[in-house]
This record gives sequence, C-alpha cells and structure tokens, in this order.
Amino acid sequence: GAVVSQHPSWVICKSGTSVKIECRSLDFQATTMFWYRQFPKQSLMLMATSNEGSKATYEQGVEKDKFLINHASLTLSTLTVTSAHPEDSSFYICSAPLGASRYEQYFGPGTRLTVT
Amino acid sequence: AQSVTQLGSHVSVSEGALVLLRCNYSSSVPPYLFWYVQYPNQGLQLLLKYTSAATLVKGINGFEAEFKKSETSFHLTKPSAHMSDAAEYFCAVTEGGNNRLAFGKGNQVVVIP
Repeated sequence: GAVVSQHPSWVICKSGTSVKIECRSLDFQATTMFWYRQFPKQSLMLMATSNEGSKATYEQGVEKDKFLINHASLTLSTLTVTSAHPEDSSFYICSAPLGASRYEQYFGPGTRLTVT
Repeated sequence: AQSVTQLGSHVSVSEGALVLLRCNYSSSVPPYLFWYVQYPNQGLQLLLKYTSAATLVKGINGFEAEFKKSETSFHLTKPSAHMSDAAEYFCAVTEGGNNRLAFGKGNQVVVIP
C-alpha cells in the first residue's frame, strides 16, 4: 500500500531554534498534504493544508509565520517550526490523500518534537 | 463544519468480549467517515471507511462499522477483543471532496486478560 514517511522520527531542540520536519510520499505523488499536531493523550488537530507549488492554507489560530510549510515537489512537504518554545513540544503528523478522487489518507509515523 | 463526537475516553473490555466504540458525526453534506487506530508513538492506520457505498463496512483485524444516517452514527464493533486490540481509536469525518479530516477525541481501549 501507499507509504508516507517522516523525518526525523524524534528531535530535541533548544528554545529559540528552528526545526524542520519532512514528510514524503514514497510511492505516489501528492499535490496536497496535511499537517497535524497531537498533544499527549489528545486528538489530532489539523494545522494546515500543504499545496504543491502554492501557499499553504492554515487553520484558524495557527500562526503561519511560526509554522512554515513548503511543498516544493509532488512527494515532499516540509514543516519548519521557527523560534521554537517549550509549548511547541508535540507530536507532529502528516498525511497525504491517494489521488484527488480517493478520500482515504495515508499517515506518516509522526515526529516527536521536544523543545527544552 | 463537520465534527465528530466520541464519548468515553477510556474503554475497558475483557479479552474475548465485544468491542463497541461509539461515534456520532455532524456534517452539512453527505459525509465520508473513517476509523483509525494508533499505537503508541506511531501514526494512524486506517481500519475502515464509509464513502457512500454499503452502510455496513468491514475493515481490518475483524472490525466493522455501520453507517446510520438517521442516527448520524458510525459505531465501531468487533465481536471478540484480542490483546493486540489495545490502542487508541479515532473516528474521523470529511465532507466529500475537500479531504480535510475532523477527528474525534479518541478512545483508549484497554483489553483485560
């Protein structure tokens, strides 16, 4: 089946630094990808929709200048957490739908970010 | 906007007993509905989906769910729980065509030997 990978699987960074998380569709092309964050023992909250070749669409309340999204190719989207703070510590998960007419999404394994 | 309600954050079930996880949705248009399972520190795996075909949907690992429009429900069941079913389960809805998923709060299933 379709596979979505994320890198790194976990990262620890110091407060004030920036961290980049990659999301790749390994055996299919994805013009759209989605980024979620999940706090411990909570549900997934959609942060933004990443669109290949155009600007990302952010959900209400998500700071676009803090969470930079780039979707430069049909198989890669990146999320950069800028000037990270401890409250940004979370589990970040990406997903990609398999084609425009397929409503099933494939999820990456997630990235655990810890900001110290 | 679409939304999902899952009641009871923790669900305990004896091994071999029925697993029942309830999901109610709200959507302004005919919805597509999904159940996902998440194991610790992992991403989500699709259990099953409803996309306007048969109302009784069978998924992986012996799970099934029934779409009931009159009750706006999509409850997940498995006749006999196995220890490997211990995980977090999420119900999700998308309004056909936009691919944006709204998740319920999840159910943490604990299987008691």
